[in-house]
Amino acid sequence: RKEVEQDPGPFNVPEGATVAFNCTYSNSASQSFFWYRQDCRKEPKLLMSVYSSGNEDGRFTAQLNRASQYISLLIRDSKLSDSATYLCVVNVNYGQNFVFGPGTRLSVLP
Amino acid sequence: DAGVIQSPRHEVTEMGQEVTLRCKPISGHNSLFWYRQTMMRGLELLIYFNNNVPIDDSGMPEDRFSAKMPNASFSTLKIQPSEPRDSAVYFCASSSSQWHNSPLHFGNGTRLTVT
Repeated sequence: RKEVEQDPGPFNVPEGATVAFNCTYSNSASQSFFWYRQDCRKEPKLLMSVYSSGNEDGRFTAQLNRASQYISLLIRDSKLSDSATYLCVVNVNYGQNFVFGPGTRLSVLP
Repeated sequence: DAGVIQSPRHEVTEMGQEVTLRCKPISGHNSLFWYRQTMMRGLELLIYFNNNVPIDDSGMPEDRFSAKMPNASFSTLKIQPSEPRDSAVYFCASSSSQWHNSPLHFGNGTRLTVT
């Protein structure tokens, strides 16, 4: 079993749709969690950290369930500019051991 | 903040040549990572340093690859001799192990083509 697994995708959704990505991790000692987005031929960029109580940033909502070792990302009112690959990242040792999921590709269609 | 700075942005070289990639982490970050990304294998961790000391180099493909971090503000990844299968985008990233929830910050990457 891979350390971090994500929905295989790709997701093709119309503009304005709500889309949810799921991620599971295997190491129960994982300490911090992140969602990154990566555009084609660009570097991964931090989208948001994921906090235990869940957190929201505009149209984006992240949830963490430590008991189930599960992380989610919800995008509401999707825009064309949201088209990218979304990477779930788990940090086992603060600031050191980051484990990336394989990513889920999203295409928002006009 | 200038962010993580990598050079060169693009490198085209012939098989057998030595290639040196450079990285300047964000000031104050004490962890530095080298990643490689290809379509086939995705994002792979090659090596990471903490406080300038290599911690995990298990991802380094073979002896042709070496990485150094002589000080807190500079790291190099060297490939000697280079081979066509080394063609990929190489990312450097930095983080701080002193803060909870400190994320990784990536440089723009070096796109390496070995012919």
